[in-house]
Amino acid sequence: GESVGLHLPTLSVQEGDNSIINCAYSNSASDYFIWYKQESGKGPQFIIDIRSNMDKRQGQRVTVLLNKTVKHLSLQIAATQPGDSAVYFCAENKGGSEKLVFGKGTKLTVNP
Amino acid sequence: KAGVTQTPRYLIKTRGQQVTLSCSPISGHRSVSWYQQTPGQGLQFLFEYFSETQRNKGNFPGRFSGRQFSNSRSEMNVSTLELGDSALYLCASSLWAGADSPLHFGNGTRLTVT
Repeated sequence: GESVGLHLPTLSVQEGDNSIINCAYSNSASDYFIWYKQESGKGPQFIIDIRSNMDKRQGQRVTVLLNKTVKHLSLQIAATQPGDSAVYFCAENKGGSEKLVFGKGTKLTVNP
Repeated sequence: KAGVTQTPRYLIKTRGQQVTLSCSPISGHRSVSWYQQTPGQGLQFLFEYFSETQRNKGNFPGRFSGRQFSNSRSEMNVSTLELGDSALYLCASSLWAGADSPLHFGNGTRLTVT
């Protein structure tokens, strides 16, 4: 079954606010995590990744935090824009027989 | 650099038919993976190919198959289509087949089985 899940299926924020999307994983052996963004009618788009030897990684307007103690992953989006509206997936790579295991996704809606 | 290209974008088939989907990876990427996406099950791994060899396979029946060519392009085939095969089929490529190689997805082929 799914070993990666999300706390909330939907998230609504105001334009300009910061967004935080959360993800829980169950496999403590997982060592690589990725966040993807999927817009309507498109495939998932790579946002940022993080390895288990790191706690935090920053990109442009995005930050991923990894808490291995509680097996929790989060994606922070600064100054959220309407173009950020999409479904966000966390994915976990355990190696072995599957390339990536995806969570169910969180739909982010940015209100103008 | 061109992204992952999938053709066709849309397909409508009837039960019992078979279908072939095509994927051209990003130039230089040697690994191709396929995923099925449905509202109920989310993204589920089908298989992964590297250097023309199937490296991993997900939990799908034998009606689902694939192959990779020497130029890294890949095709997947579904035989004896069932209504439940209606889904978005996504192809993704990566530089190598390692467990920590980010996948870059195409926009998918939307298959509808009637």
